[in-house]
Amino acid sequence: GENVEQHPSTLSVQEGDSAVIKCTYSDSASNYFPWYKQELGKRPQLIIDIRSNVGEKKDQRIAVTLNKTAKHFSLHITETQPEDSAVYFCAASSHYGGSQGNLIFGKGTKLSVKP
Amino acid sequence: DADVTQTPRNRITKTGKRIMLECSQTKGHDRMYWYRQDPGLGLQLIYYSFDVKDINKGEISDGYSVSRQAQAKFSLSLESAIPNQTALYFCATSPGEPYGTFFGPGTRLTVL
Repeated sequence: GENVEQHPSTLSVQEGDSAVIKCTYSDSASNYFPWYKQELGKRPQLIIDIRSNVGEKKDQRIAVTLNKTAKHFSLHITETQPEDSAVYFCAASSHYGGSQGNLIFGKGTKLSVKP
Repeated sequence: DADVTQTPRNRITKTGKRIMLECSQTKGHDRMYWYRQDPGLGLQLIYYSFDVKDINKGEISDGYSVSRQAQAKFSLSLESAIPNQTALYFCATSPGEPYGTFFGPGTRLTVL
C-alpha cells in the first residue's frame, strides 16, 4: 500500500529562521497532499494542501512544493514564530485496495521555534 | 460552525472491559474515519466508512469494531480492552478526495 516517509522527526530553529519539512510517497496515483499542524493537546488542523496538477502553493508564511516525478513534497515555513511550534504531519491520498483517496500520514515532525 | 464531536473526551478503564467511543458530525460529510495516535507513530487508520452501509478495515483494525448508525454518527468499540490500546483516538470526516480530512477533538483512553 501507500507509504509516506517524513523527515526530520524533530526540528529546532531560531525565531525568524526558515523551516523545511520533507515527505516522500510511494503511490504514483496519489493526487492530493495536505499538511496538518497539531498543537499540544489539540486536534490536527489542515493548514495547506496541494493537488497533483500544481507544483507550488503559498499561503502567507507557509508554502508547499510538489515534485511528482520524484514523489516528494515539502512544507516551507518562513520567518518562523514561537506559535509555529507544533507537530506537523504530511499526508498523501492512497488508491490501493479500493481505499479511494484515504489519507496516509507521515509520522510527524516536532518543530520547536526558539525565541 | 459545522464540526466533529467526540464523547467521552477522557476515559480510564480496566483490562477486559468493553468500551465505546462515539463520534458525531454536523459537516454533512459522507466519509468518516477512526484514527489512533501514539507518540512517534503518527496517525494510524483503524476503520473507515464511506456511507451508512459501508464499513472497511484500516491498518490496525484488530481488537476494534465500528458501527455507522447514521450518516452523522460513527462509533468505535473495544470489545475487551487491553493496556496497549492506551492511546489518543480521533474521529474524522471528509467529503472525499481531493479534499481534506477534518478531525474531532480526540478521546484520550487509558487502559489499566
